[in-house]
This record gives sequence, structure tokens and C-alpha cells, in this order.
Amino acid sequence: QITLKESGPTVVRPTQNLTLTCTFSGFSLSASGRSVAWIRQPPGKALEWLALIAWNDYKNYRPSLKNRLSITKDTSKNEVVLMMTDMDPADTATYYCAHRPSTWSAFDAWGQGNLVTVSS
Amino acid sequence: DIQMTQSQSSLSASVGDRVTITCRASQDISTYLAWLQQKPGKAPKSLIYGATNLQSGVPSRFSGSGSGTDFTLTISSLQPEDFATYYCQQYDSPVISFGGGTRVET
Repeated sequence: QITLKESGPTVVRPTQNLTLTCTFSGFSLSASGRSVAWIRQPPGKALEWLALIAWNDYKNYRPSLKNRLSITKDTSKNEVVLMMTDMDPADTATYYCAHRPSTWSAFDAWGQGNLVTVSS
Repeated sequence: DIQMTQSQSSLSASVGDRVTITCRASQDISTYLAWLQQKPGKAPKSLIYGATNLQSGVPSRFSGSGSGTDFTLTISSLQPEDFATYYCQQYDSPVISFGGGTRVET
């Protein structure tokens, strides 16, 4: 059974950086084809894909946020870390991580989410 | 980037109704289309992948159809636990995108 869980701060001040960790079990991110993505959802709004990292360290970012995002993995710890710089109140959202089992597949498991509020 | 449009932001239905939710892609995405269900305060749940394939454990009253640019999610007989918001998502492009969601309410 695949499980994912997000952890990180619940409140971030404007201009600060955000670091979120996705800790997972039930699969290895060194296994061929696997990837983990980050998706966010502002309160009352739709889902927005942010970034993805694959088993072979391939990385992809939302073009409009590419300059602010960084995604890394620690295969030995079963963790994926997302960093977002220069946080703004518009970045207030629930941040989810999700598992994708192969290159051309949909997400099949999601974490419970981590609500991050950007406020002074 | 590929835009995903769900023309109905909400729809009203009753238990037992047949419900159809539509999604349109701004360009051909073949069948690289997923449907997600989200209940208030909960994480999304994956229902369908490849436009027509049910994820493990998803009830058979859910079905998906379509290819190219036009897709449909159908709930054959709406159950009380199906009142939720449904999102389509394309994964044809490396830049993944979601529709705006359709809320199914009473």
C-alpha cells in the first residue's frame, strides 16, 4: 500500500522561503518510472500542479513558478522536498504530494495535504 | 500549456440520478486523462486513468469515456457518498494541468 504524508510549516511570513517534505512508503523512488509531484490548492479554488521529480532525477516545474521552485529527493529516506522562495499571500494553499507509478500514467495516490498560510 | 475546461462549475442531482460531467482539453491529449474526486476538507482521490480505466477499489457505477479533446465522467446511479467535487486532469504534456472542477450537490 502506497502512502504519502506532507510536513512543514503552517504559517510563513511574506518574502520568506517555504520548505515542505513529502515522506512516503510502499514504493521506492529509485525504481524505474516512478515519480512524485507537488500540487497545491488555494482555499476554495482548483488544483494546480507545481513540480515533479522522477526516479532518474528528471525534474519538471510549472513554467510560471519555475524561478521560485526547487524539488529534490532523498531515496534513502523516502523523502521528496519542495522549496518555494519569496512567499506571497497568494501562495496560501493546501500543498499535496502525489505518486505517479510510471512515466505516462496518472497519479494513483495522494497525501493528506499541508495547509500553508502566508501572512505577516 | 494545455487548458482543461469543465463547463459546469456545479450541478444539482438526487440520489439515484445518472450524472454526467464533461471536460474539454485545448488540444488533443489522446487518452491521457484522469478523473479525481474531492470531498470537503479531504485530499483528492484518483478515480479513473487513461480516460476509461477505473482505479482499484472504485465502484463500477463510475465510468469514463472520450479521447482527443472531449471527455465524460458518468455516475450511473448517484449515491449519497458521491456528492463531491470532480476534477479532470491531463498528463499528456509534461506540464500537468487540471480542470476547474464540477461540484455535484443536492
